Amino acid sequence: AQKITQTQPGMFVQEKEAVTLDCTYDTSDQSYGLFWYKQPSSGEMIFLIYQGSYDEQNATEGRYSLNFQKARKSANLVISASQLGDSAMYFCAIIFNQFYFGTGTSLTVIP
Amino acid sequence: GAGVSQSPSNKVTEKGKDVELRCDPISGHTALYWYRQSLGQGLEFLIYFQGNSAPDKSGLPSDRFSAERTGGSVSTLTIQRTQQEDSAVYLCASRYTGQFMNTEAFFGQGTRLTVV
Repeated sequence: AQKITQTQPGMFVQEKEAVTLDCTYDTSDQSYGLFWYKQPSSGEMIFLIYQGSYDEQNATEGRYSLNFQKARKSANLVISASQLGDSAMYFCAIIFNQFYFGTGTSLTVIP
Repeated sequence: GAGVSQSPSNKVTEKGKDVELRCDPISGHTALYWYRQSLGQGLEFLIYFQGNSAPDKSGLPSDRFSAERTGGSVSTLTIQRTQQEDSAVYLCASRYTGQFMNTEAFFGQGTRLTVV
């Protein structure tokens, strides 16, 4: 069964604008963790941000923030003030015993 | 080493040959994961090792695929009788799994396998 869903295969954003990448998940567990990774064209996987299911506040890391809505089972990534270097694939992941990754969203930042 | 190391970085093999891909995780990381990523696609889970527990092999696509992890450290993914559809980047990741859930997985640079 699909555990993580990313419905936006591709997104475009103007430089310096904010963008939201969607992620929904499916679990009956109460305790879980949600992660976002960035994969530039070089292929490396870069950890961006983490949200625990019991965290009361939305996670933030610099220009990255996570809009966590537990009841809706969504964990959208918000990138503020987009930069050209943000162009990459972005993967949402959930941890139970193992990591389940979504299919990814390709983000292109337009100058 | 400081990060997850995978070797070789690139491998070209003939159809029907066996290949071995190696992953050296970060020291002390008890969890190790193998994923496969085809061009422009997401990460396909293959296998997961956690400490001394039996591995979760539920993602292995066929019995041509196997993996082992020796001494709770280095892991080898073996593909027997390679097929062209096996061509992909194989990613390894490791993670510390103590009492906390909020530890990210660290990925290696991957092995790009091309079956000709």
